[in-house]
Amino acid sequence: GAVVSQHPSWVICKSGTSVKIECRSLDFQATTMFWYRQFPKQSLMLMATSNEGSKATYEQGVEKDKFLINHASLTLSTLTVTSAHPEDSSFYICSGSGEVYEQYFGPGTRLTVT
Amino acid sequence: AQSVTQLDSQVPVFEEAPVELRCNYSSSVSVYLFWYVQYPNQGLQLLLKYLSGSTLVKGINGFEAEFNKSQTSFHLRKPSVHISDTAEYFCAVTRTGTASKLTFGTGTRLQVTL
Repeated sequence: GAVVSQHPSWVICKSGTSVKIECRSLDFQATTMFWYRQFPKQSLMLMATSNEGSKATYEQGVEKDKFLINHASLTLSTLTVTSAHPEDSSFYICSGSGEVYEQYFGPGTRLTVT
Repeated sequence: AQSVTQLDSQVPVFEEAPVELRCNYSSSVSVYLFWYVQYPNQGLQLLLKYLSGSTLVKGINGFEAEFNKSQTSFHLRKPSVHISDTAEYFCAVTRTGTASKLTFGTGTRLQVTL
C-alpha cells in the first residue's frame, strides 16, 4: 500500500509556542489530505480536509486560526498549532488520498504542551 | 451524512478462540466500508474494505468481514485470534465516489489473553 510519513513522531513544546507537523505522501500524489485528532482511548475526529493548492475546509468547532493547514504540494501538508496550550495536547494523525477513495494514514504525532 | 456504531467498546477473548467485532452503519447514500486496526501509539492500518461485489471480504492477518445491506452491518471476524491481535479496531464508512471524509466508529478494544 501507499506510504504516508509524519514528522515529528513526538514533540513537546511550551505553552504559548507554535509547533509544525509535517505529513508526506512518499510514493503517491495526495490530491486530498486529511488531519485528525485523537484523544486517549477515543476515536479519530476529523479536523480538516485540504486539497493541494486550495484552502483547507475545517470541520465545525475547529478553530482555523489556531490550527493552520497548508497543502502546498501533492506530497506535503503541514499542520501548525499556533499558541499551543495544554488542552491542545493530543495525538494528531494525517492521511492522504490520491485519485481514488482510499485514505492512507500516517503513523501519527504525539503533541504534549507543558 | 453517515454514522457508524460499534456496539462493543471492549471484547476480551482467549487466544485461539474465534471473535466477532460488530459494526453497524447508517447512510442515505451508497457507501464504502472499512475496518482499520490501530496498535498503541501508531497510526491506522487498513485490514479490509468493501467497495462492491462479493459481500464477504477477506483482509490481512486472517480477518474477514461480511457486508449485510439489509441489516446495514459490516461485522469483522477471525476464526482464531492470536495475542498479537490485541489492538483497537475501527470501523469506518465513506460515501462512494471520489475521496471524501471517513466517518469512524468509536472503536473496539480487542484484548486477547492466554
